[in-house]
Amino acid sequence: DAGVTQSPTHLIKTRGQQVTLRCSPISGHKSVSWYQQVLGQGPQFIFQYYEKEERGRGNFPDRFSARQFPNYSSELNVNALLLGDSALYLCASSWTGEEQFFGPGTRLTVL
Amino acid sequence: QKEVEQNSGPLSVPEGAIASLNCTYSDRGSQSFFWYRQYSGKSPELIMFIYSNGDKEDGRFTAQLNKASQYVSLLIRDSQPSDSATYLCAVNFHRSGGYNKLIFGAGTRLAVHP
Repeated sequence: DAGVTQSPTHLIKTRGQQVTLRCSPISGHKSVSWYQQVLGQGPQFIFQYYEKEERGRGNFPDRFSARQFPNYSSELNVNALLLGDSALYLCASSWTGEEQFFGPGTRLTVL
Repeated sequence: QKEVEQNSGPLSVPEGAIASLNCTYSDRGSQSFFWYRQYSGKSPELIMFIYSNGDKEDGRFTAQLNKASQYVSLLIRDSQPSDSATYLCAVNFHRSGGYNKLIFGAGTRLAVHP
């Protein structure tokens, strides 16, 4: 079975721009969570979606938004990019939200 | 106080030895606990999870949980150079509304030398 897929793999943007990251969960999984991981730290929770509804949001500004589609894939949008948004963005897929399986991530660099 | 604390390491062990990785957490309401392995430049990979006090074994890995002490550990027996990675401890506290937010420690870097 295919695991979690994310696109793109790498992305370079400049300050002020907007970015959209995409995620497809493991087949049959209905929950998708987004995390941000900066170098040297553990992932930080951004959002969780289950059955297309937002279930939870972490301590991130309103510049961060997400949605989940009827096929359970998800997008993470970040507006007005700042240098500090440079990080590895991880999508995690789960059947119930408990055991979460990560995709390969999207490495975002903001110049 | 950090919610999930791990020693950053590096923890250096010889090949064939037991590696012991430790994690403490602050939220007594935490209900499930996970260990992820992350190789440099890669994403985290789930290797163990534990929900109840005591030990849980899976191959060379044993997870240990003590909720009274708010302590979870991972033992790796017969350590191999391929085990060299950063090990992330994650704690899940079920929030109202039914969602699951994993809180991660910063990770412990393990180096297994031949």
